[in-house]
Amino acid sequence: GIQVEQSPPDLILQEGANSTLRCNFSDSVNNLQWFHQNPWGQLINLFYIPSGTKQNGRLSATTVATERYSLLYISSSQTTDSGVYFCAARRTQGGSEKLVFGKGTKLTVNP
Amino acid sequence: DSGVTQTPKHLITATGQRVTLRCSPRSGDLSVYWYQQSLDQGLQFLIHYYNGEERAKGNILERFSAQQFPDLHSELNLSSLELGDSALYFCASSVGSLRETQYFGPGTRLLVL
Repeated sequence: GIQVEQSPPDLILQEGANSTLRCNFSDSVNNLQWFHQNPWGQLINLFYIPSGTKQNGRLSATTVATERYSLLYISSSQTTDSGVYFCAARRTQGGSEKLVFGKGTKLTVNP
Repeated sequence: DSGVTQTPKHLITATGQRVTLRCSPRSGDLSVYWYQQSLDQGLQFLIHYYNGEERAKGNILERFSAQQFPDLHSELNLSSLELGDSALYFCASSVGSLRETQYFGPGTRLLVL
């Protein structure tokens, strides 16, 4: 099955700093998504990005499907960006579908 | 507030029991997804329903079942519960299917004793 690896596992930043989170996946995928889980447990779907680049405010994501990785950029980080960032790869094969999550990157933004 | 509601918020039960988790999607959303988050397994996709029909099945155990009703709410049934089923169960909804933003509910925290 698909393997999804995220790095780094933990990241501590000062407010205002920029960061890049990486997601590697082991096989071709139909869909790559990024999620944020805040410290209170709420999950938010950030991006659906099977390929190319998307931007939403201070966040942007790029997926290079041919090289099997995706990057999440956070610019001018704020304390509210703290939490765990998950990527998930989806693959459809023979009528079945697999969505596999990475273990996440825990981001702490200090004031 | 995402607009997705889940009940109950917390559930404590014993091994061998059966529970039902309920999810009401955002108004107008046709898709409902269920996820499980545990310390051991991390986040896992369980199942996806679109307008009452099952669309994709992930790592859902045979002891678990789900359905989406005509009013589009969904229920996840967990039976013959084991200690390892203790987890946070999330429901999410989207307007259409897989390529659209999913909106998550607050989750139901299940503790099996």
